Amino acid sequence: GAVVSQHPSWVICKSGTSVKIECRSLDFQATTMFWYRQFPKQSLMLMATSNEGSKATYEQGVEKDKFLINHASLTLSTLTVTSAHPEDSSFYICSARDQGRGGSEQYFGPGTRLTVT
Amino acid sequence: GQQVMQIPQYQHVQEGEDFTTYCNSSTTLSNIQWYKQRPGGHPVFLIQLVKSGEVKKQKRLTFQFGEAKKNSSLHITATQTTDVGTYFCAGRRGTASKLTFGTGTRLQVTL
Repeated sequence: GAVVSQHPSWVICKSGTSVKIECRSLDFQATTMFWYRQFPKQSLMLMATSNEGSKATYEQGVEKDKFLINHASLTLSTLTVTSAHPEDSSFYICSARDQGRGGSEQYFGPGTRLTVT
Repeated sequence: GQQVMQIPQYQHVQEGEDFTTYCNSSTTLSNIQWYKQRPGGHPVFLIQLVKSGEVKKQKRLTFQFGEAKKNSSLHITATQTTDVGTYFCAGRRGTASKLTFGTGTRLQVTL
């Protein structure tokens, strides 16, 4: 149980275009999901906390108008990278907590590798 | 802001040798978690520590939470090639739901 999926697993886009990444909790409901960004050989940096039915909470330094987050249902959160530039190329990973199980561990999706050319 | 540092950044051991990674937070944590990320993969939860001075074992892995709840360690006894990956600690402050990940320690194990 507690599986999180992401789509797409990788995407290449041209500079200036927008890319949408989906994060789904497959067998549990997640009122809260988290979006991370990881550059090669670096740690996971939390970008934002996605809350179902309300606005996302962004970390300091993360542009909310550039990284649009929508958490419209208890099983789906989306991250849209708007007007992508090469410096946005990174590994984007979402995670969710299965609060229904009472645990505090986070289950991570397989990640989306974004390359902006 | 909160910082979580890990040392070493990288360690290369021969199979059968022991390995330890240390995690230090700039602030007191309510709990700490450990994750393993294989090359090309995503982080996988290993364990959570909550109590001051807590020690937990999982087969060859021993996890410890410091008395001041600001540091933690992960020790692997007799490493195997399957232990290869990057080990991250991640801490929570108070009742916050978000985790702050450590800088990670990359472990390489060769025969």
